[in-house]
Amino acid sequence: GENVEQHPSTLSVQEGDSAVIKCTYSDSASNYFPWYKQELGKRPQLIIDIRSNVGEKKDQRIAVTLNKTAKHFSLHITETQPEDSAVYFCAASVYGNNRLAFGKGNQVVVIP
Amino acid sequence: GAVVSQHPSRVICKSGTSVKIECRSLDFQATTMFWYRQFPKQSLMLMATSNEGSKATYEQGVEKDKFLINHASLTLSTLTVTSAHPEDSSFYICSTQLSSGNTIYFGEGSWLTVV
Repeated sequence: GENVEQHPSTLSVQEGDSAVIKCTYSDSASNYFPWYKQELGKRPQLIIDIRSNVGEKKDQRIAVTLNKTAKHFSLHITETQPEDSAVYFCAASVYGNNRLAFGKGNQVVVIP
Repeated sequence: GAVVSQHPSRVICKSGTSVKIECRSLDFQATTMFWYRQFPKQSLMLMATSNEGSKATYEQGVEKDKFLINHASLTLSTLTVTSAHPEDSSFYICSTQLSSGNTIYFGEGSWLTVV
């Protein structure tokens, strides 16, 4: 099955700086890569996703890049704010298949 | 608004008892729902796939007799933790998707504490 690895496990950044989280996946059949933000005790919230037919997608301060050849994708958060502090999970699946394989998560701490 | 409703949000039960968690799709039919478990500071681990009208498919290492899944209607899937033990204490969460598109919706999650 799909194996998604995510690193670093924790990341501290100064407010206003950028944060980058990287994930790798193993199954070349995977073609859908969502990113979720999860606050303590709450459900994961989809923040951005990308399909394998594009290499980059941006939504305001958040962007995701995908390298199919290397089988890795990254989340970029610019101009970080304290409210960006949370755990971020990457995931991979085959588009249309709800069966997500999650990375281990990354604790992002934005220091005011 | 909420697409998937899950409850209870928190439940405490005694060891040896059973607990049922419900996951409902609101205003749409969900033929498939997924159940995840998340231990503190860890990732979401898929437990099983719930299929309406048929048996659930369990991931390797998940005991089907301990985690009973029922998907008797197109809007309701239930997870019953039987003979609960303290090590079953965890955050359980369901997910599903609309038939159109690929956006996956999660329930609110249920915190289970077994004492």
